[in-house]
Amino acid sequence: ETGVTQTPRHLVMGMTNKKSLKCEQHLGHNAMYWYKQSAKKPLELMFVYSLEERVENNSVPSRFSPECPNSSHLFLHLHTLQPEDSALYLCASSQSAVTNYGYTFGSGTRLTVV
Amino acid sequence: DQQVKQNSPSLSVQEGRISILNCDYTNSMFDYFLWYKKYPAEGPTFLISISSIKDKNEDGRFTVFLNKSAKHLSLHIVPSQPGDSAVYFCAASEGPGGTSYGKLTFGQGTILTVHP
Repeated sequence: ETGVTQTPRHLVMGMTNKKSLKCEQHLGHNAMYWYKQSAKKPLELMFVYSLEERVENNSVPSRFSPECPNSSHLFLHLHTLQPEDSALYLCASSQSAVTNYGYTFGSGTRLTVV
Repeated sequence: DQQVKQNSPSLSVQEGRISILNCDYTNSMFDYFLWYKKYPAEGPTFLISISSIKDKNEDGRFTVFLNKSAKHLSLHIVPSQPGDSAVYFCAASEGPGGTSYGKLTFGQGTILTVHP
């Protein structure tokens, strides 16, 4: 039990589909993040939420739409994705968005776009 | 422009020997560095960190060394064990006052395999 739970673990979707990734943290943290990990590339920060407010959008295409209804839940809504969007999507949380330690990651969602 | 680089995609070591994983960075504003370990089908987990005011931090079998002038850090694992086989990510963050304080910039990872 890492304290950060991501569902689903695996997802295969067509380019015209709409799906959502879910992240839930049970740690009482105030900041949540979406990261993307493509093969042989560094983890790339996509979005940062602090107290349910988006504080960072790292030049992510609009086909990725985040939602943070409360400090414990984070979603990533996906629509009209491209095959190059296939990657491991990791959610993380931390006590604060202005701390540089104490990240806890979820196990990720392995996304395949066909 | 990749600010944190792990130039060795993989490393293979015999059990009981030392594993040395390397990481280079370019952003002189980075002043806090972390190593994460990732097993397949799991998220990265925090391993050890070091602040720029130190040049060494030790935690059991794991030691991180920081050479600020060379913008280089390394993770030493002694003795290496088969259970250490995983992907190791180096990460860095700016300090308070930096424009990206609180955001981690990761390297691309090094796959460590420890053979029995």
